[in-house]
Amino acid sequence: QKEVEQNSGPLSVPEGAIASLNCTYSDRVSQSFFWYRQYSGKSPELIMSIYSNGDKEDGRFTAQLNKASQYVSLLIRDSQPSDSATYLCAVNEEYGGSQGNLIFGKGTKLSVKP
Amino acid sequence: GAVVSQHPSRVICKSGTSVKIECRSLDFQATTMFWYRQFPKKSLMLMATSNEGSKATYEQGVEKDKFLINHASLTLSTLTVTSAHPEDSSFYICSAIAPGGWNQPQHFGDGTRLSIL
Repeated sequence: QKEVEQNSGPLSVPEGAIASLNCTYSDRVSQSFFWYRQYSGKSPELIMSIYSNGDKEDGRFTAQLNKASQYVSLLIRDSQPSDSATYLCAVNEEYGGSQGNLIFGKGTKLSVKP
Repeated sequence: GAVVSQHPSRVICKSGTSVKIECRSLDFQATTMFWYRQFPKKSLMLMATSNEGSKATYEQGVEKDKFLINHASLTLSTLTVTSAHPEDSSFYICSAIAPGGWNQPQHFGDGTRLSIL
């Protein structure tokens, strides 16, 4: 059973701080990783994609991937109250008839306090 | 780019009614689309994978006769909830894989909130 694990939170950080969200996955052959943001009552929105080990930066967001440790993280710098949402880590199924299917973690709820 | 449109955004109807939800890829062709269901404060649950021109692949425990999926074109997939009952009330979300291959991210529609009275 392939799994994606996230701390459910809630993670509470003050405005302007760095929020650190973590994710581990069980399938060693996984190659494609995504972070989605989901506001309450809304559908998921893609924040970052990462495919190679190391860091990938996009504005205030940095995704970090360590395939050896099977670990993905998302850093949000200068956190804003508008960043308050549930963040979903997703890993792509890599083989078989399920290529393209995403395995989602249960999500980490982030609360940024003004 | 990679915009997915879903319609309607909200449906309220009586028990026993069949409800059709449309999912369109607006600026790209999507050979594969996905249908999810999400109950309040719960995780996304994949219901089925919709492939253009072929039968959908349903996840274990999802009744294919209850949730009819049709993917007749490269830009449109539909989900029909047949003879809906209150327990079918949920948030239904579709997604499509962005162009560039199966390892590209999925982009989601805005979802359809279905309430069965």
